[in-house]
Amino acid sequence: GENVEQHPSTLSVQEGDSAVIKCTYSDSASNYFPWYKQELGKRPQLIIDIRSNVGEKKDQRIAVTLNKTAKHFSLHITETQPEDSAVYFCAASKGSTNYKLSFGAGTTVTVRA
Amino acid sequence: SAVISQKPSRDICQRGTSLTIQCQVDSQVTMMFWYRQQPGQSLTLIATANQGSEATYESGFVIDKFPISRPNLTFSTLTVSNMSPEDSSIYLCSVTGLAGGNGLEQFFGPGTRLTVL
Repeated sequence: GENVEQHPSTLSVQEGDSAVIKCTYSDSASNYFPWYKQELGKRPQLIIDIRSNVGEKKDQRIAVTLNKTAKHFSLHITETQPEDSAVYFCAASKGSTNYKLSFGAGTTVTVRA
Repeated sequence: SAVISQKPSRDICQRGTSLTIQCQVDSQVTMMFWYRQQPGQSLTLIATANQGSEATYESGFVIDKFPISRPNLTFSTLTVSNMSPEDSSIYLCSVTGLAGGNGLEQFFGPGTRLTVL
């Protein structure tokens, strides 16, 4: 089955700096890559996703890049703010062929004021 | 956007008992899933809840331990049977196929925090 690895496990950044989280996947048939943000005691929330026919997608301060050849994708958060502090999970699926998501282990992001 | 609710939100149970968790969506969805999130860990898929047929379980999860029902396109239940302290976890349902989405987006319910003594 799909194996998703996520790095780093923890990330501490100064407010206003950028944060980058990287994930790799093993199954070349995976074609859908969402990112979730989970605040303490809350449900995971979808913040951005990308399909394999796109190399990059941006939404305000958040961007995701995908390298299909290398089978890795990354989340970039610019101008970080204290409210960006949370656990971030990457995931992968085979899209409409198989909707099941395989999750990375998570990255705890702390934004220092 | 659609509302996904779960009942109960939390429970404390004795070992050997069973707990049924409900997941309700306020609109029809294509797929419903059940995940487990152990303390400080990532999400692990338990099974896909199939409407009108038996659920599809992931490796390491069996129907006798986690029976699942999905009688219609908006509702599903997960039962945690014969519980042990190792079953203490957060159980989350998720759905895809909400109207207005791209069909692949998966949204989560608020979760059920289960503690087994």
